[in-house]
Order: sequence, then structure tokens, then C-alpha cells
Amino acid sequence: DAKTTQPTSMDCAEGRAANLPCNHSTISGNEYVYWYRQIHSQGPQYIIHGLKNNETNEMASLIITEDRKSSTLILPHATLRDTAVYYCIVRVGGGNQGGKLIFGQGTELSVKP
Amino acid sequence: GAVVSQHPSWVICKSGTSVKIECRSLDFQATTMFWYRQFPKQSLMLMATSNEGSKATYEQGVEKDKFLINHASLTLSTLTVTSAHPEDSSFYICSARVASGSTEAFFGQGTRLTVV
Repeated sequence: DAKTTQPTSMDCAEGRAANLPCNHSTISGNEYVYWYRQIHSQGPQYIIHGLKNNETNEMASLIITEDRKSSTLILPHATLRDTAVYYCIVRVGGGNQGGKLIFGQGTELSVKP
Repeated sequence: GAVVSQHPSWVICKSGTSVKIECRSLDFQATTMFWYRQFPKQSLMLMATSNEGSKATYEQGVEKDKFLINHASLTLSTLTVTSAHPEDSSFYICSARVASGSTEAFFGQGTRLTVV
């Protein structure tokens, strides 16, 4: 299974862009990069995913390097409600177990006023 | 996104009793559901994968006779913690996926289990 490494914690000023890095140097060619976040005592919330092209939705942008060994999640204008643990996950497997998400330790993002 | 609902949100039970947690996909049919456990200040740990109509596949180190999973319909999976002990106290979270190979999985809000 491809693994990811993320910084343990990050701070961001409210209103500024939050850039969360993730390394996934052993990712396979058909594995996607997923980002989820978990606010305290809640279930994880899907943010965005991508294969090799950069992606953008109403929540965030995902920038994947050309060699796919790393990616960055960008929250363009962070708010206090974006304070959460952010997980970068590479989707593994196939067949009946295809798509199971294995969580690493994530990055604890603190957005400060 | 699609909605996954867990019930109950929290439960307190006595040691030695069994507790059932339900996970429902409210607006889609989930062929695959996943069960996770999360201890305080730790990440989510995958416990098992269940496919509708077949036996669950458990991750290494997870006791299948202790954590009974039933995925009898396309909208409901249940996790039963049998003979619960205080060390089973944890945050249990389910997620559901529409079909094999589909994109994102949707998560329930979690169930806080406290065994006293």
C-alpha cells in the first residue's frame, strides 16, 4: 500500500491561504490522491481527490506534482471553521475491497484569528 | 454529497454486554461499507470491509467474533461489539461507497462507545 507523510501540525492566519503538503513517493500509476478532513468528534468529510491533473472545487484546490510523488491541498481563504485534522490518503486495492481508505496521522491545521 | 447516518451517536454500556451500531446510507445504495475505530488523539483505524450480501473482510488483528458485521441490505450495515470491555471504548465510524471503483467514500458522524 502506498503511504503518505504529512506535517504533524500547521498554523494559518484567518483569511489567508492554507497550503497543506503531502508526500506519496510510492504511489502507483492508477492510485488516486484523496483529501479528507475531520473536525473534532465528527466523521471525516470528503474534500477533493485527483489522479494527476490539478483539481478545484468549491472547498479547495489540489495541486499534484508532475511525478505524482507529492501534492498540496490549498484552502484559498481559511476560516476558523477550517480548523481540523486534514488527511491525505492514497486509495488502495481493487476488486471487492477496492477503494478502502487507509488513514495516516494527518495534519492538524489551526486557523487563528 | 451523499448522506451516511450512524445510530446511536453515543452509547454507554456495562462491561460484558453487547452493543449494536447501525450505519445507513440515506440517499444512495452502498455496495461496500467500511468500519473504522478511532482512539483519542489517534487516526482512524480500518477494522473491516463489508460488501452487501457477503461476509465482511477483517483487517489483521481485528477479532471477527468480537466485532460482528452484518451488511444485509444496500442501505444498512451493523457493527455489534460483543461482550464489550472498557478497552473497547472508542469512536466508531462507518463509511459507505456507492459501487466498486467509484470515487469518494462518505462517512457517518461516528458513534462514541463508552464501556463502564
